[in-house]
Amino acid sequence: DAGITQSPRHKVTETGTPVTLRCHQTENHRYMYWYRQDPGHGLRLIHYSYGVKDTDKGEVSDGYSVSRSKTEDFLLTLESATSSQTSVYFCAISESGKGALNTEAFFGQGTRLTVV
Amino acid sequence: GNSVTQMEGPVTLSEEAFLTINCTYTATGYPSLFWYVQYPGEGLQLLLKATKADDKGSNKGFEATYRKETTSFHLEKGSVQVSDSAVYFCALRTGANNLFFGTGTRLTVIP
Repeated sequence: DAGITQSPRHKVTETGTPVTLRCHQTENHRYMYWYRQDPGHGLRLIHYSYGVKDTDKGEVSDGYSVSRSKTEDFLLTLESATSSQTSVYFCAISESGKGALNTEAFFGQGTRLTVV
Repeated sequence: GNSVTQMEGPVTLSEEAFLTINCTYTATGYPSLFWYVQYPGEGLQLLLKATKADDKGSNKGFEATYRKETTSFHLEKGSVQVSDSAVYFCALRTGANNLFFGTGTRLTVIP
């Protein structure tokens, strides 16, 4: 299994509070991603990173921010959690370079976040 | 734009039945295509992939052929087992910055 650890695995938080989810990898892959999984939507990209301090938005980035200060860590922050952000969040990693198009992404176990 | 359309689920089959899960895509350029599987309580795992037209990906008895003319990548297995019960996702990749996923198809195999 690819070395990806998400923490926490489960969290319940109140509306309006900040929340940070952490993704840690031991594979030294350049690309890291945060997805959310919701019924009827599959997985949707929130943000991704293509290197230390290099990040970009995905299709559902509103209300989320990310940071990557080290190759191995990618943090997802909900500045002020809302009930619509109740979801399962997955981190993924991928290699880069000429083979990037063909390479798979490896996924973490997921974080189930409930905003009440 | 890029998108993936998967057959609606859930799908319920008896053990040893034939499985097909349809997947069609829209993409700019020449994507790579993937099937991922998600077992209960776990993250997604790559099941198989195909990187160019007419390629066939296969793994664990599952297979899918990259059909450029019909923009499809249907997943098939000749004889399903109870252990195949999971959610299956079709996905495409056009670059390093994203994988585009379908909505997932839940498969339940009953003994």
